[in-house]
Amino acid sequence: SYVLTQPPSVSVAPGQTARITCGGNNIGSKSVHWYQQKPGQAPVLVVYDDSDRPSGIPERFSGSNSGNTATLTISRVEAGDEADYYCQVWDSSSDRVVFGGGTKLTVL
Amino acid sequence: QVQLQESGPGLVKPSQTLSLTCTVSGGSISSGSYYWSWIRQPAGKGLEWIGRIYTSGSTNYNPSLKSRVTISVDTSKNQFSLKLSSVTAADTAVYYCAREVIAAAFFDIWGQGTMVTVSS
Repeated sequence: SYVLTQPPSVSVAPGQTARITCGGNNIGSKSVHWYQQKPGQAPVLVVYDDSDRPSGIPERFSGSNSGNTATLTISRVEAGDEADYYCQVWDSSSDRVVFGGGTKLTVL
Repeated sequence: QVQLQESGPGLVKPSQTLSLTCTVSGGSISSGSYYWSWIRQPAGKGLEWIGRIYTSGSTNYNPSLKSRVTISVDTSKNQFSLKLSSVTAADTAVYYCAREVIAAAFFDIWGQGTMVTVSS
């Protein structure tokens, strides 16, 4: 079955750029979606189809996808960005949704 | 705007069946543009997709849960439901319902989630 691998944690100082990776076999051939989840809350879609942003999501959130790695980039990180982030794809070979294990973003 | 709300028992005994309902408000569940999904998250862990249903009743399930899962839809009530049989403590989690955009396979709207504990 298809596996998505994320680093358990990423730390960044306020105002800097955070990059959260999502690894998968030839993930560049799939559409990758990213969610932000704050404690006690439901996930929120922040990037879809590799690099598109839903309305209301700041331009500071961007995404890219190539080869075996997709990346969520958060520019000018703010304290309010501290959360867990999950990547997600549809695996057509097994007809199921796959989530990465999640990355905890800590703002120092 | 469309909102989703989960409902159901917060406590289920081992070996019994977990039953949850998701009520869709602010829009029709019969819209042809979406799947309706269930996702769960054990405390302190990641997200696990359980399965989805289309308004026609067509379903897809996570292979790891397929033998125990049934998802159904009631368009007259604008609801869809989850049944998970033979539950164990490992099924203790927050259960979310979510709307999935067809052909894009991302979840644009989520319910707030409901905690279900499996314990005697």
